[in-house]
Amino acid sequence: NAGVTQTPKFQVLKTGQSMTLQCAQDMNHEYMSWYRQDPGMGLRLIHYSVGAGITDQGEVPNGYNVSRSTTEDFPLRLLSAAPSQTSVYFCASSFNRLMNTEAFFGQGTRLTVV
Amino acid sequence: AQSVTQLGSHVSVSEGALVLLRCNYSSSVPPYLFWYVQYPNQGLQLLLKYTTGATLVKGINGFEAEFKKSETSFHLTKPSAHMSDAAEYFCAVSDLAGNQFYFGTGTSLTVIP
Repeated sequence: NAGVTQTPKFQVLKTGQSMTLQCAQDMNHEYMSWYRQDPGMGLRLIHYSVGAGITDQGEVPNGYNVSRSTTEDFPLRLLSAAPSQTSVYFCASSFNRLMNTEAFFGQGTRLTVV
Repeated sequence: AQSVTQLGSHVSVSEGALVLLRCNYSSSVPPYLFWYVQYPNQGLQLLLKYTTGATLVKGINGFEAEFKKSETSFHLTKPSAHMSDAAEYFCAVSDLAGNQFYFGTGTSLTVIP
């Protein structure tokens, strides 16, 4: 089982460039989300989706866009990269929106903005 | 919004010693509670969770946690540490109405041989 797949694993961007972080899950999960992980700050929610066509903002949404056109995919777009967006990004999915089931995480994307 | 506090960003224990990682949450309504482990350069993996029922929850790799409503705590324990337990551990709670998980800042566990 593939679970949650994130690509790329590593990326270096120049300030002002845009890019899309890909996330796909093959578990037919309803709920998907993006987090960023920074030292001493744990994981902070960027955006989430409770189903195809439905997205909402999390704690730190500025500078990021998402869309959910299919159940399987939940890409995260950086519109104009800034050094403050240097971080490790994790995509996660859960069976349903009731939040009583575990979240499955991808392996992460390590992004550096120079 | 929920908040999760993990006391101690770094914990060191000797191999074979008790592991105790602390987690407190803020909520007037008991939420769902989780512990995740993160090994270097990997994503997070579920150790255990509490949703309803028995307050002592057993997880993988010999870990367990006890939900104490009166103390708003969900501390993680393991009777005897193993070298393979060295990792980052995150406590998380879910908001019953908000469609979100809230994570603590993590505790890095070092096991000394």
